[in-house]
Amino acid sequence: GAGVSQSPSNKVTEKGKDVELRCDPISGHTALYWYRQSLGQGLEFLIYFQGNSAPDKSGLPSDRFSAERTGGSVSTLTIQRTQQEDSAVYLCASSFHQLYTFGSGTRLTVV
Amino acid sequence: AQSVTQPDIHITVSEGASLELRCNYSYGATPYLFWYVQSPGQGLQLLLKYFSGDTLVQGIKGFEAEFKRSQSSFNLRKPSVHWSDAAEYFCAVINSGAGSYQLTFGKGTKLSVIP
Repeated sequence: GAGVSQSPSNKVTEKGKDVELRCDPISGHTALYWYRQSLGQGLEFLIYFQGNSAPDKSGLPSDRFSAERTGGSVSTLTIQRTQQEDSAVYLCASSFHQLYTFGSGTRLTVV
Repeated sequence: AQSVTQPDIHITVSEGASLELRCNYSYGATPYLFWYVQSPGQGLQLLLKYFSGDTLVQGIKGFEAEFKRSQSSFNLRKPSVHWSDAAEYFCAVINSGAGSYQLTFGKGTKLSVIP
């Protein structure tokens, strides 16, 4: 596609529920990143994919967070048993030769 | 670990005035440096980047930035600000020595423009 697509754009969920956030990167971009943007914390790296493998998961804040990527394309970030502190904007980016393109993000609100 | 510091949380300028947003990084080797802009409810848009070569780089929307190795700085400048430049600006660095090429961001500087 022309850009990085993320869905949903907004998600409101009840505390304790699981959520899935989707990222559709630019075709041909082998590298994919997830970031979290929250007030007071800025932009935090979560996880990096190269193809379907995730060589760097160092930013995942807890074992409630997981991500996968299939076919070297679409990625899903899953948050289990959501907590209020998970409320944030989750941004996905794909890159080619260290040039990143960001999606518009998913705004997650846990109530 | 590398870090990026943007010392100004919020800057207000008058339309037509010049602008400089500061960015300092902490990193041992030659970094890959970026400036991004984010308008409310939008993703991050790349303004400009520095990988190597000429230390003064030109970007979109009339922005430029200068890499100064001796000061570990990569300040963003614009000679004349427009009201549409009101947004949040993020400086970022890639750790080119690690495997993931992840971006490390500063906390951002929010720019307000007075008409």
